[in-house]
Amino acid sequence: QKEVEQDPGPLSVPEGAIVSLNCTYSNSAFQYFMWYRQYSRKGPELLMYTYSSGNKEDGRFTAQVDKSSKYISLFIRDSQPSDSATYLCAAAMNSGYSTLTFGKGTMLLVSP
Amino acid sequence: SQTIHQWPATLVQPVGSPLSLECTVEGTSNPNLYWYRQAAGRGLQLLFYSVGIGQISSEVPQNLSASRPQDRQFILSSKKLLLSDSGFYLCAWSYRDRGGAGLGFFGSGTQLSVL
Repeated sequence: QKEVEQDPGPLSVPEGAIVSLNCTYSNSAFQYFMWYRQYSRKGPELLMYTYSSGNKEDGRFTAQVDKSSKYISLFIRDSQPSDSATYLCAAAMNSGYSTLTFGKGTMLLVSP
Repeated sequence: SQTIHQWPATLVQPVGSPLSLECTVEGTSNPNLYWYRQAAGRGLQLLFYSVGIGQISSEVPQNLSASRPQDRQFILSSKKLLLSDSGFYLCAWSYRDRGGAGLGFFGSGTQLSVL
């Protein structure tokens, strides 16, 4: 079992829809949770990160972590065609040399 | 502000030829440095990471090697490329000694095609 699981999609939505992207993880030692956005043939760009459980909001984006169920979510409100990309979740432990463990990414397509 | 440079953007190499990809980070000191490979449908695979000059940890035994000759320079190499080495290679850095809080910041990637 991979430590971070993510549905690869694609997920197709019309412009303006609310998008929900999700990941599950298995390692209870994970404390930091990140979301990256990756456009085709580009490097991933850090969107948001959260520490432990809770919500974090940044504009149209909300990241949510539920450690009791080991569930990570990213919500996008009022989705735009420019949001079309692959979204990668990642998790890390709170130790000095922790590396990131990534999900495989979900492709999102927002149609005008 | 911190920036990461990775080059070249695209590379086409014959089987059996050598490889050298270079990555440099500006605007920070003592970063952790990483090389990832991304294959279609397989997500990001961590190849190497480094916590200091000359300190390299290999995650996956393979045809590749990494070196860190300077604090903010990370090099991915191969003596003889295989077809299976084709993929999208990404360099990344994170703040040292912050654990998961160090996060990860990526370069723009190199698309390597071995023919």
